[in-house]
Amino acid sequence: AQSVSQHNHHVILSEAASLELGCNYSYGGTVNLFWYVQYPGQHLQLLLKYFSGDPLVKGIKGFEAEFIKSKFSFNLRKPSVQWSDTAEYFCAVTNSNTGKLIFGQGTTLQVKP
Amino acid sequence: GAGVSQSPSNKVTEKGKDVELRCDPISGHTALYWYRQSLGQGLEFLIYFQGNSAPDKSGLPSDRFSAERTGGSVSTLTIQRTQQEDSAVYLCASSFQRKDTQYFGPGTRLTVL
Repeated sequence: AQSVSQHNHHVILSEAASLELGCNYSYGGTVNLFWYVQYPGQHLQLLLKYFSGDPLVKGIKGFEAEFIKSKFSFNLRKPSVQWSDTAEYFCAVTNSNTGKLIFGQGTTLQVKP
Repeated sequence: GAGVSQSPSNKVTEKGKDVELRCDPISGHTALYWYRQSLGQGLEFLIYFQGNSAPDKSGLPSDRFSAERTGGSVSTLTIQRTQQEDSAVYLCASSFQRKDTQYFGPGTRLTVL
């Protein structure tokens, strides 16, 4: 069965620090990969996605992620975090047959001003 | 344009009662998904609709859970004889087609007393 693993459950950073959140998936076929963010009190929003092409994808608010097929990874990065990035981040992969999302367990990011 | 809407936003019910949760997808989106978000289980897929049919119901946790979609639009998730373990946030998402980006609604927070 497909699964997604996020290595960091809770990350605390100071403003301007760099961020990298790990995500690994287990699926040997064609995958679509996503990072979603859930700000406090808000609903899930798409940060970025990878379907095909350039493995380095850029999303909103300065986030980017790199798809490394050989490592089954899709890590999220941001060079300099802001207090407003405090949120929960979810990595997800689709089963291309149905499009249903398989989510990782989420990473809570707390940015201290 | 309008996003995915869900109602009610909050529902408190007594154990053993039936509840209905509603989802209005983005207009023109053919694919509709239900997920559940709970503390212990994270984000879990429940059911997928393509038009009015449900080719993937594999995530429904028991036969107390059912869902339908009418007119290729509105969907209702019904939970019969609710149990305390059904307490969670129920999320609906829609996409233009099954492989496309999913857009999430704000969710319905269900509390079973």
